[in-house]
Amino acid sequence: DGGITQSPKYLFRKEGQNVTLSCEQNLNHDAMYWYRQDPGQGLRLIYYSQIVNDFQKGDIAEGYSVSREKKESFPLTVTSAQKNPTAFYLCASKTQASSYEQYFGPGTRLTVT
Amino acid sequence: AQSVTQLGSHVSVSEGALVLLRCNYSSSVPPYLFWYVQYPNQGLQLLLKYTTGATLVKGINGFEAEFKKSETSFHLTKPSAHMSDAAEYFCAVSRGSQGNLIFGKGTKLSVKP
Repeated sequence: DGGITQSPKYLFRKEGQNVTLSCEQNLNHDAMYWYRQDPGQGLRLIYYSQIVNDFQKGDIAEGYSVSREKKESFPLTVTSAQKNPTAFYLCASKTQASSYEQYFGPGTRLTVT
Repeated sequence: AQSVTQLGSHVSVSEGALVLLRCNYSSSVPPYLFWYVQYPNQGLQLLLKYTTGATLVKGINGFEAEFKKSETSFHLTKPSAHMSDAAEYFCAVSRGSQGNLIFGKGTKLSVKP
């Protein structure tokens, strides 16, 4: 079955540690996105990538980094510079740049203590 | 700049009653509009979308929405609520030419027996 997988579902880290969240898609989609979701805040865009080896900052990129070495994969690293990293992280993808409909993964809930 | 406002962070209806979730948008260009649904600790699932053409859009699970340009609205409705409709609903509008979306803060729908 085609889809987007995010692993793990739940992730716990100590403050000061970097952590990488996985996002893989087998939909052959060109573009991929990372969003952060906090209660009552909706979804906020962290980073996005339209093609391999290229990505752009979203609205809240500070304290995060990404890579896009393969079309299928778009990992997100939450660095120790992110002041409030505890949140629900959602990965999404879509087809060529002219379309807008995004497909979402199941999310990873990150808790940093 | 584009923006989305969802009126009411929580809406409660009785089973069998009309569901009305409100969404107003701001866009300097003809918008593409979306409604997504999110069940607890899951990703977002597309309910319906408006791109061009017919302004009344039908989606999955009996939901529909009407694009009203004069009112800059895209309200989501369902004639008869079911317990399984309890979830959080997000309205989104297209942003820019790169296919990005801006999301509203969400409306949590509760359905009472």
